[in-house]
Amino acid sequence: AQTVTQSQPEMSVQEAETVTLSCTYDTSESDYYLFWYKQPPSRQMILVIRQEAYKQQNATENRFSVNFQKAAKSFSLKISDSQLGDAAMYFCAYRSYNQGGKLIFGQGTELSVKP
Amino acid sequence: DAGVIQSPRHEVTEMGQEVTLRCKPISGHNSLFWYRQTMMRGLELLIYFNNNVPIDDSGMPEDRFSAKMPNASFSTLKIQPSEPRDSAVYFCASSFSRDRGRNQPQHFGDGTRLSIL
Repeated sequence: AQTVTQSQPEMSVQEAETVTLSCTYDTSESDYYLFWYKQPPSRQMILVIRQEAYKQQNATENRFSVNFQKAAKSFSLKISDSQLGDAAMYFCAYRSYNQGGKLIFGQGTELSVKP
Repeated sequence: DAGVIQSPRHEVTEMGQEVTLRCKPISGHNSLFWYRQTMMRGLELLIYFNNNVPIDDSGMPEDRFSAKMPNASFSTLKIQPSEPRDSAVYFCASSFSRDRGRNQPQHFGDGTRLSIL
């Protein structure tokens, strides 16, 4: 079975600075997807970024980028130029290529942004 | 475009009562997922449907939980009888799945916060 681990329960960053959230996963599969979701206090689950395992190039979405290390089974999220609105819980998630799309989530990292 | 719509947004009821949570997926999506979020267990999949057919219900905690998807635009998650340990936020999500592996990202509803007294 696949597992996702986020080892940082809480992180803090100064506004305008850069922060990196860590995620590791365990799988025996070679094809899969990885995601970062953001959950603000409003409790919405918002897709931040996704990565397909067969792609070597790291995904980027504006201020958000990932460092995908397939051999190390690592998938970290970098947030550049942090803004107050980035404060939220961030969840890393794994989805198998073949198992119909269910997401396996990590425990989450709560990010606070200091003005 | 309307996103995934869940109702009610909040539900407070006494233990032993029947609870029904509702979900309307995004139009055109053919996969629907029910997740539960608790402090202790985090986010976990309860059940998912593809083309209205339940595919994996291994996450359904016990027989008190049941889910249906009578058509492509509506699903329910029912708890009968409810217990205090069922208190959680329940999310519905939907996505489009074209064929094996070619699934689009899941879009989540705003969740239902359920409190069982």
